[in-house]
Amino acid sequence: DAGVIQSPRHEVTEMGQEVTLRCKPISGHDYLFWYRQTMMRGLELLIYFNNNVPIDDSGMPEDRFSAKMPNASFSTLKIQPSEPRDSAVYFCASSILRYMGEQYFGPGTRLTVT
Amino acid sequence: GENVGLHLPTLSVQEGDNSIINCAYSNSASDYFIWYKQESGKGPQFIIDIRSNMDKRQGQRVTVLLNKTVKHLSLQIAATQPGDSAVYFCAETGFQKLVFGTGTRLLVSP
Repeated sequence: DAGVIQSPRHEVTEMGQEVTLRCKPISGHDYLFWYRQTMMRGLELLIYFNNNVPIDDSGMPEDRFSAKMPNASFSTLKIQPSEPRDSAVYFCASSILRYMGEQYFGPGTRLTVT
Repeated sequence: GENVGLHLPTLSVQEGDNSIINCAYSNSASDYFIWYKQESGKGPQFIIDIRSNMDKRQGQRVTVLLNKTVKHLSLQIAATQPGDSAVYFCAETGFQKLVFGTGTRLLVSP
């Protein structure tokens, strides 16, 4: 298996623009997680899905952030409009039902909003 | 990845030494704990886990110790190698959500 795939790896955009981050989890994994990592706040859970259904989105910072999982092999995290404080590395991770804590992380998307 | 915090503790060891990385967790209801390793530019990687009904678990060159009385977790790495240089995170989960600590940077010099 190729592992968790994220795209793009790097994104530079201007404030106010829409940003869409994409994730393909490992086949057969039931859980999908979106995290954000910054120098100041560390690794934060934004939202997670179980069998394509959002379970906990309490970590989503604002209404500008939204996430979808239309099927078991694809998820998006959208920021609209983007702001400079959204600059961070965004990770997607997946895990199987029984071992939810053993999460497999993708390589991340480094987002820079100018 | 962005894993350098303003106050990220650092442990420096010589190659071949044993390393001990400590972590204090916050939620006494947490029943599952995990250690992750994050190398520069990569996502965190699972190392080892332990459930709250255990106090020790061993893997390949790594041992995790859990002290629930003082809410303390430690990761021991035997015969540390340069490839072990990374940031190490402990994480806890009690309510189906993984909460990561701030991390410890391990520097291994040859």
